[in-house]
Amino acid sequence: EPEVTQTPSHQVTQMGQEVILRCVPISNHLYFYWYRQILGQKVEFLVSFYNNEISEKSEIFDDQFSVERPDGSNFTLKIRSTKLEDSAMYFCASVATGISYEQYFGPGTRLTVT
Amino acid sequence: DQQVKQNSPSLSVQEGRISILNCDYTNSMFDYFLWYKKYPAEGPTFLISISSIKDKNEDGRFTVFLNKSAKHLSLHIVPSQPGDSAVYFCAASAGTGNQFYFGTGTSLTVIP
Repeated sequence: EPEVTQTPSHQVTQMGQEVILRCVPISNHLYFYWYRQILGQKVEFLVSFYNNEISEKSEIFDDQFSVERPDGSNFTLKIRSTKLEDSAMYFCASVATGISYEQYFGPGTRLTVT
Repeated sequence: DQQVKQNSPSLSVQEGRISILNCDYTNSMFDYFLWYKKYPAEGPTFLISISSIKDKNEDGRFTVFLNKSAKHLSLHIVPSQPGDSAVYFCAASAGTGNQFYFGTGTSLTVIP
């Protein structure tokens, strides 16, 4: 069964450093998303991406964040200068088409900023 | 902004009995709702969905009910099994391709 994969599973970084979280969505999917979940809190939307551009983003997704689909298979989330409060699980999700709501989630990357 | 709320952080149910998980929302533009199940250290897994044109959707042991006038949905699991023990999130969206707003989750424990 096709699945969304994410690497690394756990990333530890120092405050102020840049991190890139990687996702490989399901191959025929067209819509891509990043969500995060701070420990003990709800899953929060960060950004959605379609047709090589951001289609929607939340207030969390400020200038420190960027997304890219560099090669048609990977979908990356970059945090330019990490803060302690960026520590969270980051989930990538993808959707097949514009008429499908079902989002398939990856296993997540745990980001720890020290 | 809590557009989707799950007011019960936890629920314990005996194996074989019914589990009822509740979710309330505030945005009347939401037209599609999903329930996700999440185990620790894993991503959310899609469980069941319902669109606003329906008031009930059933898939095996799982049934989701939608009450649009009350802006309330519920997930029924019958019969509950120990393997159902997980955190359950409801999520809502207004339109295809749009973001989903998640509730804070309800941790279900099914006692053998």
